[in-house]
Amino acid sequence: NAGVTQTPKFQVLKTGQSMTLQCAQDMNHEYMSWYRQDPGMGLRLIHYSVGAGITDQGEVPNGYNVSRSTTEDFPLRLLSAAPSQTSVYFCASSYSRAGGLGYTFGSGTRLTVV
Amino acid sequence: DAKTTQPNSMESNEEEPVHLPCNHSTISGTDYIHWYRQLPSQGPEYVIHGLTSNVNNRMASLAIAEDRKSSTLILHRATLRDAAVYYCILRDPGGGADGLTFGKGTHLIIQP
Repeated sequence: NAGVTQTPKFQVLKTGQSMTLQCAQDMNHEYMSWYRQDPGMGLRLIHYSVGAGITDQGEVPNGYNVSRSTTEDFPLRLLSAAPSQTSVYFCASSYSRAGGLGYTFGSGTRLTVV
Repeated sequence: DAKTTQPNSMESNEEEPVHLPCNHSTISGTDYIHWYRQLPSQGPEYVIHGLTSNVNNRMASLAIAEDRKSSTLILHRATLRDAAVYYCILRDPGGGADGLTFGKGTHLIIQP
């Protein structure tokens, strides 16, 4: 089925470990983005990309890196995990930056940092 | 992006219509009104969006006040699967902060 695929669905990390959250979409969307959602809160934008080779920071970028080498993939890297990064992470894509046709979200990665 | 205000929670009965309100008194002329919903343990799902005129799609209807300072998402016949958090979001496609600014939304409870 067409959509946004996130892996893994669950992950437990120790403080200081690194990992990459994967995001892939098969809708040929130019715009991709990463959000985090903390308990009882709305989603907050971490990083976004308007096309292959172009990335920029969102509201809460500290502690995260991204790259966009292909249209389909937009991985999110945690270089040195901290307990404050315990959250649910969502990847989203859209036909355009404006999102006029709606953003499509993945089902999320639940990350716990101990 | 301008701020929206929604009730924290609402309750409705199955098979009845649901009207979810959203106030956005500081909306600008170029802000579109978007609605998303988030079912338990899932990512947000696009529902509908509009600028000035009322909009209908297979999921819902969006009624926009004439002065655009408020809007209402209408689910015509709620089912148990509609139980979710509903977010009203303003988005200026030509500028402002990137991405979608999510508030806390309205938690919709559907009673059988």
